[in-house]
Amino acid sequence: KQEVTQIPAALSVPEGENLVLNCSFTDSAIYNLQWFRQDPGKGLTSLLLIQSSQREQTSGRLNASLDKSSGRSTLYIAASQPGDSATYLCAVRTTSGTYKYIFGTGTRLKVLA
Amino acid sequence: GAVVSQHPSRVICKSGTSVKIECRSLDFQATTMFWYRQFPKQSLMLMATSNEGSKATYEQGVEKDKFLINHASLTLSTLTVTSAHPEDSSFYICSASRQGVNSPLHFGNGTRLTVT
Repeated sequence: KQEVTQIPAALSVPEGENLVLNCSFTDSAIYNLQWFRQDPGKGLTSLLLIQSSQREQTSGRLNASLDKSSGRSTLYIAASQPGDSATYLCAVRTTSGTYKYIFGTGTRLKVLA
Repeated sequence: GAVVSQHPSRVICKSGTSVKIECRSLDFQATTMFWYRQFPKQSLMLMATSNEGSKATYEQGVEKDKFLINHASLTLSTLTVTSAHPEDSSFYICSASRQGVNSPLHFGNGTRLTVT
């Protein structure tokens, strides 16, 4: 059974700092891994999607990497801003059954001005 | 873009009544839609996967007769919470993706259901 874990559960950093969020998964049989952010009381916004054959994806100040063999992904946020404060979730799409997404536990990020 | 619209955003209902939540993909055809439930400060729990024109696939422990899912068209899926009880109070979120296993998942803004 696929399990997705995110560390740390919460993180508080001063503005301007570069930071790394971690995501690990137990079963490497995935199609892709997607990173999302969720603001309080809202749905999720897609940030980056990395296909299983890819190593990394970049969008602006965000860079996500994927090491499928070791079951790990990282989300790197450069020059963090208070507007980056949110919960970040990773999800893997399984290759079996209904090709569903399994979500991680999330990292609550607070960037202090 | 890929916009998913979910309505209503908030609903309060009395115990024993039914509530319908709509999820629409506004600018793309969603062959697959997923319904999630989220408890405070917790991650998303998948309830069911629906494909257009076929019956939904429910996750273990989710009551099919209580949470009715219909995916009648490529742009609309509905979740009906039947005979709602206070323990059904939660945040429900739908998501949709185009055809293709590497199509990104796009989310609605969620529905806060409160059953009194």
